[in-house]
Amino acid sequence: NAGVTQTPKFQVLKTGQSMTLQCAQDMNHEYMSWYRQDPGMGLRLIHYSVGAGITDQGEVPNGYNVSRSTTEDFPLRLLSAAPSQTSVYFCASSYDDSGNTIYFGEGSWLTVV
Amino acid sequence: AQRVTQPEKLLSVFKGAPVELKCNYSYSGSPELFWYVQYSRQRLQLLLRHISRESIKGFTADLNKGETSFHLKKPFAQEEDSAMYYCALSPPTGFQKLVFGTGTRLLVSP
Repeated sequence: NAGVTQTPKFQVLKTGQSMTLQCAQDMNHEYMSWYRQDPGMGLRLIHYSVGAGITDQGEVPNGYNVSRSTTEDFPLRLLSAAPSQTSVYFCASSYDDSGNTIYFGEGSWLTVV
Repeated sequence: AQRVTQPEKLLSVFKGAPVELKCNYSYSGSPELFWYVQYSRQRLQLLLRHISRESIKGFTADLNKGETSFHLKKPFAQEEDSAMYYCALSPPTGFQKLVFGTGTRLLVSP
């Protein structure tokens, strides 16, 4: 059971480049979300999804796009990378929204130069 | 505004000493409160949540609505408790929308 898998683990981008952070879960969870963690700060919600075909914005959505075409996958797209998007990104999933345990991925370290 | 405050970046104690990691929150309503832990080289994982009122690995947390606090306590710290601890809240009907504190690193020395 792989749980929540994020790729890549490390990435360096140049300003203006685009890229996609991949997130996949094999637990048949309906709920998935993306957080970012900046140095000295807590995790902040970027986007979340309550099921395939349904996404919504979190606290810090600007500069990011998401889609949820399948239950398993929830990719996060950086449209035009900026140094302010240098951060550690965490994907998370849970079975539903009733308070069941949320499972986190290992994180993706992104540096934008 | 929703906010979680963890005033201590680092808490260093000796093995066997009591531990209290502080957490205060700001929320208009009745949020759900959680403690998450991240051990070295491991994923962030749920330690405990107010709704279940459990004691996990000897840790407990009491919600004080008057003081808007949810401090994490353990009577006797163990070396394996050394980790990063995050307090978090969510709306009562939106457990995915977590708001995290900045975290406290607990270091338990032998």
